[in-house]
Amino acid sequence: RKEVEQDPGPFNVPEGATVAFNCTYSNSASQSFFWYRQDCRKEPKLLMSVYSSGNEDGRFTAQLNRASQYISLLIRDSKLSDSATYLCVVTLNTGGFKTIFGAGTRLFVKA
Amino acid sequence: DGGITQSPKYLFRKEGQNVTLSCEQNLNHDAMYWYRQDPGQGLRLIYYSQIVNDFQKGDIAEGYSVSREKKESFPLTVTSAQKNPTAFYLCASIGGARISTGELFFGEGSRLTVL
Repeated sequence: RKEVEQDPGPFNVPEGATVAFNCTYSNSASQSFFWYRQDCRKEPKLLMSVYSSGNEDGRFTAQLNRASQYISLLIRDSKLSDSATYLCVVTLNTGGFKTIFGAGTRLFVKA
Repeated sequence: DGGITQSPKYLFRKEGQNVTLSCEQNLNHDAMYWYRQDPGQGLRLIYYSQIVNDFQKGDIAEGYSVSREKKESFPLTVTSAQKNPTAFYLCASIGGARISTGELFFGEGSRLTVL
């Protein structure tokens, strides 16, 4: 079993659609959780951190369920510019940070 | 502005040659990392360094070497022993206000192609 698993994708959605990404992690000692966005042939950039209380940033909402070891990202009112790969990222602190990346889910938003 | 600078951005190499990828940061971060990304795959850790003059192997260190003689610099050498070196290489760091969460800050990456 992979340490961080994401929906395989790709997701193809029309503009204005709502799209949800799912992610599960295997290590219950995981401490920090993130969603990164990666554009084609570019470096990953932080989209948002994920907290148990949930957090929202405009059209983006992230949720964490520690009991189920599950992370989600919801994008409302999709824009063409949302087209990218979304990486689920989990960090453990084992005396130093160990960061584990999911393989990513590719999103295509079409006009 | 603070950031991480990787060079070169694109690099072509013949089989059997060693090549060194540069990573420089002016963020005053202690921890630095090298990742490799292959198409359709997540990032895989090659080497990391928590402090100057110390570094540790990651999950796929074979065929690679690093040094950390200065806090600002963490170069990666891809040696001829690396069997499949064509990939996108990303340097990252953790520090400052992000130290408590482990959030990574990335350079723009170096794309290595072996001919």
